[in-house]
Amino acid sequence: DTAVSQTPKYLVTQMGNDKSIKCEQNLGHDTMYWYKQDSKKFLKIMFSYNNKELIINETVPNRFSPKSPDKAHLNLHINSLELGDSAVYFCASSQATGFEAFFGQGTRLTVV
Amino acid sequence: AQTVTQSQPEMSVQEAETVTLSCTYDTSESDYYLFWYKQPPSRQMILVIRQEAYKQQNATENRFSVNFQKAAKSFSLKISDSQLGDAAMYFCAYRFTYNNNDMRFGAGTRLTVKP
Repeated sequence: DTAVSQTPKYLVTQMGNDKSIKCEQNLGHDTMYWYKQDSKKFLKIMFSYNNKELIINETVPNRFSPKSPDKAHLNLHINSLELGDSAVYFCASSQATGFEAFFGQGTRLTVV
Repeated sequence: AQTVTQSQPEMSVQEAETVTLSCTYDTSESDYYLFWYKQPPSRQMILVIRQEAYKQQNATENRFSVNFQKAAKSFSLKISDSQLGDAAMYFCAYRFTYNNNDMRFGAGTRLTVKP
């Protein structure tokens, strides 16, 4: 059983398109995250949700919109994709304060 | 804001030898958690070890151990008896105890293991 699963694993799309990445966790965690990992491997937090409530919204273009229909799911929708959006996007979840985050396998997004 | 610094972009170790990866962090809090994650070429993020700031004893997991110096805000990872499978990116991470939504990562250290 996969604890945190993201789909798709790879996504190639043209500039200007709109795309979504889905994330689901079956660990019963209350908190879910989206991270962006750039070409230099730097991991930057984008959003964090706790029990479907948006808690952290870093300086991210408003073309990025997270949606949490329930606490087991956190999807990421990206409008008007740009070349600079090319990166690996990781979904993660954690249980409570202090506990480690469990990561999905990442989605490699390539904008051409 | 909390920041995590890994000053070694790349490190190299001979198989079976020991290597230490450095991490420092900046925080005004006293209760927090620190982590080391490993990211092999498969890109999966794997937890290596966790340290609670209120514990003086350094965490150990098999060949992996940490040197946690709270006053110096330092959290280094020691890998003993290095194996080829240890080759990966290693990320240090900080999480404030009372804000369960904020987990920050350092820039990472790429570890190469030479046979």
